[in-house]
Amino acid sequence: AQSVTQPDIHITVSEGASLELRCNYSYGATPYLFWYVQSPGQGLQLLLKYFSGDTLVQGIKGFEAEFKRSQSSFNLRKPSVHWSDAAEYFCAKGTGTASKLTFGTGTRLQVTL
Amino acid sequence: GAVVSQHPSWVICKSGTSVKIECRSLDFQATTMFWYRQFPKQSLMLMATSNEGSKATYEQGVEKDKFLINHASLTLSTLTVTSAHPEDSSFYICSARLGLMNTEAFFGQGTRLTVV
Repeated sequence: AQSVTQPDIHITVSEGASLELRCNYSYGATPYLFWYVQSPGQGLQLLLKYFSGDTLVQGIKGFEAEFKRSQSSFNLRKPSVHWSDAAEYFCAKGTGTASKLTFGTGTRLQVTL
Repeated sequence: GAVVSQHPSWVICKSGTSVKIECRSLDFQATTMFWYRQFPKQSLMLMATSNEGSKATYEQGVEKDKFLINHASLTLSTLTVTSAHPEDSSFYICSARLGLMNTEAFFGQGTRLTVV
């Protein structure tokens, strides 16, 4: 079965510090990879996606992610975290299709001032 | 951009009743829509794939007679939770695909269902 692993359930960082959220996926043909953010009680907002091409992907709100096929990883990074970034972050993967997704378990980000 | 709207945003219903959730693609035609379920503090789990004009395809473990999905038009899919019970309380999110399989789907804002 296809799977997406987010090893960190909860991460706390100080405002202004850098951030890296980890995501590993089970290898499959033509992986479509996504990062979404969800605020409490809200829907999903797409941060960025990778379909093909440049393995370093830029997204909204200053986020970026790097696709590393050799490590089956798609880690999300941000150089300087803002208090408003506190939320739940989900990594997701589509295999063979970009629309039917398998989600990771999520990482809750807490930002301290 | 592609906008997907869900209605209602939240609903409270009594045990044993049925509740319908709508998922609409507002500015595009969606031949395929997906329904996900999210329990509190958990991830999203795909429930079913809804194709316009045909029967939905349910994921393993999802009761098709309990979660009725109808995709009667290219802009509307509905999820009806029949004979709802408290354990059905959850956050239900739909997504809609604009084009072919290699295109992404766009998510609705979700519906919070509470069964009392």
